[in-house]
Amino acid sequence: DSGVTQTPKHLITATGQRVTLRCSPRSGDLSVYWYQQSLDQGLQFLIQYYNGEERAKGNILERFSAQQFPDLHSELNLSSLELGDSALYFCASSVATGLAYNEQFFGPGTRLTVL
Amino acid sequence: AQKVTQAQTEISVVEKEDVTLDCVYETRDTTYYLFWYKQPPSGELVFLIRRNSFDEQNEISGRYSWNFQKSTSSFNFTITASQVVDSAVYFCALSVLYTGNQFYFGTGTSLTVIP
Repeated sequence: DSGVTQTPKHLITATGQRVTLRCSPRSGDLSVYWYQQSLDQGLQFLIQYYNGEERAKGNILERFSAQQFPDLHSELNLSSLELGDSALYFCASSVATGLAYNEQFFGPGTRLTVL
Repeated sequence: AQKVTQAQTEISVVEKEDVTLDCVYETRDTTYYLFWYKQPPSGELVFLIRRNSFDEQNEISGRYSWNFQKSTSSFNFTITASQVVDSAVYFCALSVLYTGNQFYFGTGTSLTVIP
């Protein structure tokens, strides 16, 4: 158990809908990262937050947004969902400094299915 | 730009055989970090090892060993005397000091250990 929690574990929804994925980092970790894992794209970095502020952005669509709250949990919002958004979404956290050498600890993921 | 290549998509070995998973990376930065993660069938990503670009010393941890060679930009992972529990997808990842802590993942190698 990495100490990172994600809810829900599974999510099934329809095209055009909006969903919110939630992540709680390990105790003491200030950095939160979101990744998308799909068969065709592999594991892709979406976005990073550090202590409530956006720190880095990857291949995140404009339909997607995220935020990190004062209690350090993070939410990833996916809107106007398309079939291609079906994927496993991981949240990861790292120790306070969030520097490149810190290993990231991954949550169990949220499997999103868009029908 | 950063890139990680895991050319081996799938590998099957018989239990107790040794197996090496290849990882080749590309980066122009001189300070970078390499990681290996294991993704068992349960789906969670498990951290295995971190190596920084200034430390080419090979590492052994039980049946696992890692060979880092800057001359060939490779960071290969060997499992000795493989076991069925080693069956998983293994990911190599790269992070670079000046782009925050985002990981660039390879496409993964699916290892099946046959009893």
